[in-house]
Amino acid sequence: EDQVTQSPEALRLQEGESSSLNCSYTVSGLRGLFWYRQDPGKGPEFLFTLYSAGEEKEKERLKATLTKKESFLHITAPKPEDSATYLCAVRHQGGKLIFGQGTELSVKP
Amino acid sequence: NAGVTQTPKFRVLKTGQSMTLLCAQDMNHEYMYWYRQDPGMGLRLIHYSVGEGTTAKGEVPDGYNVSRLKKQNFLLGLESAAPSQTSVYFCASNRQGLRVSSYEQYFGPGTRLTVT
Repeated sequence: EDQVTQSPEALRLQEGESSSLNCSYTVSGLRGLFWYRQDPGKGPEFLFTLYSAGEEKEKERLKATLTKKESFLHITAPKPEDSATYLCAVRHQGGKLIFGQGTELSVKP
Repeated sequence: NAGVTQTPKFRVLKTGQSMTLLCAQDMNHEYMYWYRQDPGMGLRLIHYSVGEGTTAKGEVPDGYNVSRLKKQNFLLGLESAAPSQTSVYFCASNRQGLRVSSYEQYFGPGTRLTVT
């Protein structure tokens, strides 16, 4: 069964304390992995698309990486404004996206 | 560009009442989707459309109907609301294409629905 699992469910960091979020997946025929950021009371906002193992994408303090079984979202020297829920989704052979449950990140000053 | 907009933002219904949620996008996207988001459940696909006049069932379609009469609009209907349909509903869209980037979905701000 196609599945996406994100860990941890919640992560609390101090400002400047770097860490990583994990997205592991089992899917028949990966056709892309997507990272989103969701602020409270808002819709998910697109961050990155990854397609092949070894691929990396960066945006400000965020870097997403992909292997054959999982993806990591690395956050370097986070700031309080990085606090949000981060969602991972995979597109499988059927074309639709399967979302993980998200990691709620809180960065304290 | 407004992107993806949803109407209304909030709604409270009584059990058995009906309502329609409206999604509109101005990006000329072919594909449109309706999701619901519940605590601990993540985003789950209700129905989707791959073009004007077409609709298909997603993961949790029971109790919902949809229509795509115009390319830019996707309507989600609840004929007889139930408390289990209390949720936050998101609409999303993406363009059609062969590249993986074509499947980057853009989301609306959501509709928070409570059924009492």
